[in-house]
Amino acid sequence: KNQVEQSPQSLIILEGKNCTLQCNYTVSPFSNLRWYKQDTGRGPVSLTIMTFSENTKSNGRYTATLDADTKQSSLHITASQLSDSASYICVVSRILTGGGNKLTFGTGTQLKVEL
Amino acid sequence: NAGVTQTPKFQVLKTGQSMTLQCAQDMNHEYMSWYRQDPGMGLRLIHYSVGAGITDQGEVPNGYNVSRSTTEDFPLRLLSAAPSQTSVYFCASSSSGRYNSPLHFGNGTRLTVT
Repeated sequence: KNQVEQSPQSLIILEGKNCTLQCNYTVSPFSNLRWYKQDTGRGPVSLTIMTFSENTKSNGRYTATLDADTKQSSLHITASQLSDSASYICVVSRILTGGGNKLTFGTGTQLKVEL
Repeated sequence: NAGVTQTPKFQVLKTGQSMTLQCAQDMNHEYMSWYRQDPGMGLRLIHYSVGAGITDQGEVPNGYNVSRSTTEDFPLRLLSAAPSQTSVYFCASSSSGRYNSPLHFGNGTRLTVT
């Protein structure tokens, strides 16, 4: 079954600290893995997209890693800010027979950054 | 550049009523889609379109209709609202429905069916 599991479900950290969010997936055949940030009351915003051959990708203070062999990804946030408080969603794309792709969404990690 | 615009932001319906959720994008994207987001669940695909005049069903299409007469607009119609359709609905677009194009999401419509 094609699934995306994220951990932890929620996380509270102090401003300025680093944190790492995890994503494990069983989606196959793999096409790419995406991380999105969703602020409360807003739509998700793309942070990174990684293909099979990419094992690290950065977007400012956000760094995503991918291990396609173990089917794991992580999102590392450096020097957290209050504005990082959001839900972070891992999405895995798989290739469909006959063309096209299908996205499987995780349920997200809710991050709260406090003073 | 407005991106993806959804209206209304909030809506309350009674069971059996119908309504249309509007979605418009100004990025000339071919691919557009509708998702619903429920607590404790990942986003689920309702319907999608790969271009004007072409639509197809996603994972949870029952109770919803779509049409795509222009590149810019992709409305979602609820035919006869049910309490199970209480959810937050997101419209998304991308330059291609394939591979490495990121989805651009609107800010959602929060629908409550009583």
